[in-house]
Amino acid sequence: GDSVTQMEGPVTLSEEAFLTINCTYTATGYPSLFWYVQYPGEGLQLLLKATKADDKGSNKGFEATYRKETTSFHLEKGSVQVSDSAVYFCALSDNQGGKLIFGQGTELSVKP
Amino acid sequence: NAGVMQNPRHLVRRRGQEARLRCSPMKGHSHVYWYRQLPEEGLKFMVYLQKENIIDESGMPKERFSAEFPKEGPSILRIQQVVRGDSAAYFCASSPRDLGETQYFGPGTRLLVL
Repeated sequence: GDSVTQMEGPVTLSEEAFLTINCTYTATGYPSLFWYVQYPGEGLQLLLKATKADDKGSNKGFEATYRKETTSFHLEKGSVQVSDSAVYFCALSDNQGGKLIFGQGTELSVKP
Repeated sequence: NAGVMQNPRHLVRRRGQEARLRCSPMKGHSHVYWYRQLPEEGLKFMVYLQKENIIDESGMPKERFSAEFPKEGPSILRIQQVVRGDSAAYFCASSPRDLGETQYFGPGTRLLVL
């Protein structure tokens, strides 16, 4: 079945460092891809999404490009802030039943 | 436009009791999804409902769990005879349509079974 694999955390960075969180997927069709962020004690917030190959999603300085050839959707940010500390989830939707399939999450901690 | 609302935010039950979790989708959204997040794990899909219909319950445990989304009122996730392994965060999400539409998540209900 469809699945999502993320790089394991926790990831600890200094403020203003470059961030990459790897995400790869397995899907039989043409899924939509998402990054969600979860702050402590809260629900998930959509960070960005891409619905077809070569699309780039971007929001709040974060970017991810839908790469069909490598089945990847890596999250990047050029300069992280302490306020970016959270758990990041990569997810896909199979566009048939609508359910989201999540990766295991990557905890990011940004130190001043 | 209010977001997805869930209540209660925290729920404590003793083994064998029933837990009822409620979810009110965003205004105009007719699709509701329930997910469970076990400690230190990602979210796992449980069930997908539209008004008065269960569309996909492939992620629901076969026993003790049920869900509904009536014509009027919130969606309800019901867990009968809870066990300690049911302790988790339960998240509801809603969307205006399926097929890759963005799902908007509620704050979750954190269930603790003693």
